[in-house]
Amino acid sequence: GQNIDQPTEMTATEGAIVQINCTYQTSGFNGLFWYQQHAGEAPTFLSYNVLDGLEEKGRFSSFLSRSKGYSYLLLKELQMKDSASYLCAAMDSNYQLIWGAGTKLIIKP
Amino acid sequence: IAGITQAPTSQILAAGRRMTLRCTQDMRHNAMYWYRQDLGLGLRLIHYSNTAGTTGKGEVPDGYSVSRANTDDFPLTLASAVPSQTSVYFCASSDSPSSYNEQFFGPGTRLTVL
Repeated sequence: GQNIDQPTEMTATEGAIVQINCTYQTSGFNGLFWYQQHAGEAPTFLSYNVLDGLEEKGRFSSFLSRSKGYSYLLLKELQMKDSASYLCAAMDSNYQLIWGAGTKLIIKP
Repeated sequence: IAGITQAPTSQILAAGRRMTLRCTQDMRHNAMYWYRQDLGLGLRLIHYSNTAGTTGKGEVPDGYSVSRANTDDFPLTLASAVPSQTSVYFCASSDSPSSYNEQFFGPGTRLTVL
């Protein structure tokens, strides 16, 4: 079956760094997406990885290891506005996204 | 303003009633999607459309139907609502259904079936 695993909740301190892990199992693989979702709002796109390695975009970076079925999202210099859920999604061979349940990130002052 | 709109924002519906959730995008995207989001679960795909005139079933299609008469609109119909269809429904679109095309999401419809 197809499955995405990510932690349910994480807590971090303002100004610190946090890493949110995601493991995936899909029928075929066409890339790994990360989305941010603030409470009561729609998901918004953060990053896409299809090749192994690290992609950096400002304070956010995303890493992929295809051989391990593993990705992480790294958030640096945390700000209070980063309090949100972070959704990991893998694209399968039919180009459909398989979504994790999301990681709720709580930022404390 | 470019993007995706959904209507209604929220709705309380009696079981057995028929309901259509509306979705319109103005980005001229080819692909559109309907998801439901339930607490503790990931987004689950209900139906999708890769281009106007075509539709396909996702992971949880039972009890739902869609149509794609034109590029912009992708309504989702619940023929006879049941309480298990209580959820937040998101419509999304992407330029094409292939890889590396981020999906843009509408603001969602919060549906309660009593």
